[in-house]
Amino acid sequence: GAGVSQSPSNKVTEKGKDVELRCDPISGHTALYWYRQSLGQGLEFLIYFQGNSAPDKSGLPSDRFSAERTGGSVSTLTIQRTQQEDSAVYLCASSSQGFRSYGYTFGSGTRLTVV
Amino acid sequence: TQLLEQSPQFLSIQEGENLTVYCNSSSVFSSLQWYRQEPGEGPVLLVTVVTGGEVKKLKRLTFQFGDARKDSSLHITAAQPGDTGLYLCAGAGGTSYGKLTFGQGTILTVHP
Repeated sequence: GAGVSQSPSNKVTEKGKDVELRCDPISGHTALYWYRQSLGQGLEFLIYFQGNSAPDKSGLPSDRFSAERTGGSVSTLTIQRTQQEDSAVYLCASSSQGFRSYGYTFGSGTRLTVV
Repeated sequence: TQLLEQSPQFLSIQEGENLTVYCNSSSVFSSLQWYRQEPGEGPVLLVTVVTGGEVKKLKRLTFQFGDARKDSSLHITAAQPGDTGLYLCAGAGGTSYGKLTFGQGTILTVHP
């Protein structure tokens, strides 16, 4: 597609439920990133995928968080047994290998609210 | 862990004023990027600076990369209400191989 697409745009869930967030990156972009943003602040790195390499999971805050990228394209971020502190905007981005010069293209995010 | 510290965190000014946002680190970055984010949207890349001492201009915005490639600044001349948003700096390279490290952001509000 023309841009990075994320769904759903908003998600309200009850504490303890599992949620899945989807990201459809720009076609041809080899790298895909997940970040979390709280209250209009900076971005907290979660995980990134680069081609067929093992993902860098160093930012995942707990084992309740996991992500996969199927066929080098669409990615799903799963949060199990959600907690109130998981409430945030989850941003997905994709890039070519030239991200150091050309940067990331972000989706509009999924706003997750855990009640 | 590489950290990027932005200041100020909040900036509220009147239309027509000038402002500067700073992005500082103790680490060296191979490149530094500035993004602007509006409510309900993802950040959008404004500029990338690569060379120490580099200055780039984008209309009323001037971006500078420090000589040692550890810091950067964003200067806006004659701010307009349309400049309102969250400004983020992001560094590439060093120990954060393969991904960008983001600062905490500066929320700019320009009042008409």
